[in-house]
Amino acid sequence: EAQVTQNPRYLITVTGKKLTVTCSQNMNHEYMSWYRQDPGLGLRQIYYSMNVEVTDKGDVPEGYKVSRKEKRNFPLILESPSPNQTSLYFCASSLSLASGSPGELFFGEGSRLTVL
Amino acid sequence: GNSVTQMEGPVTLSEEAFLTINCTYTATGYPSLFWYVQYPGEGLQLLLKATKADDKGSNKGFEATYRKETTSFHLEKGSVQVSDSAVYFCALTGAGGTSYGKLTFGQGTILTVHP
Repeated sequence: EAQVTQNPRYLITVTGKKLTVTCSQNMNHEYMSWYRQDPGLGLRQIYYSMNVEVTDKGDVPEGYKVSRKEKRNFPLILESPSPNQTSLYFCASSLSLASGSPGELFFGEGSRLTVL
Repeated sequence: GNSVTQMEGPVTLSEEAFLTINCTYTATGYPSLFWYVQYPGEGLQLLLKATKADDKGSNKGFEATYRKETTSFHLEKGSVQVSDSAVYFCALTGAGGTSYGKLTFGQGTILTVHP
């Protein structure tokens, strides 16, 4: 089954304790991206990757890191989490977002993170 | 930069009512436009899309037309069902340059349909 898998689905942590949210897709997609969803703000893009070893900042990258060492994986790293990073996080992938032929984005089920 | 503005929610309708959710955008060039839907406890999934002016996207009885002259992409459905209750997001991808690879979402509109 084609899917995007995120782990953990739920996490409560404390300020400053490094954490990683993993994301894996089995569709051989080139494009992957992370979003955070907050009430009244919709989804905001954190980072995206057009292909292996190619990453770029989205609209709200502060406090986050990513890496794309393999095509299927795109982990989101919070080096020193703070309470304002409490949010619902979504990973998504797509075959391509090339201009003129945008692909469909496939989303994971989300990871709800609480930072105390 | 690019931006997407959706009508304020929540929207509450009775079954079989007509639905319109307004969406307007700001972007340079010729972006592609999308509607995504999020059912309770799930991730987003693509509902429909349009890639050029005057294109109409349609799926599951929903429709939206890419209007470049009014920079709009309003979502419509002639007769909603209880199962349509969800959060709906309008979104766009940039047309190139520094917008390449970025997907911009609106704030989402909560739709509740009562029997």
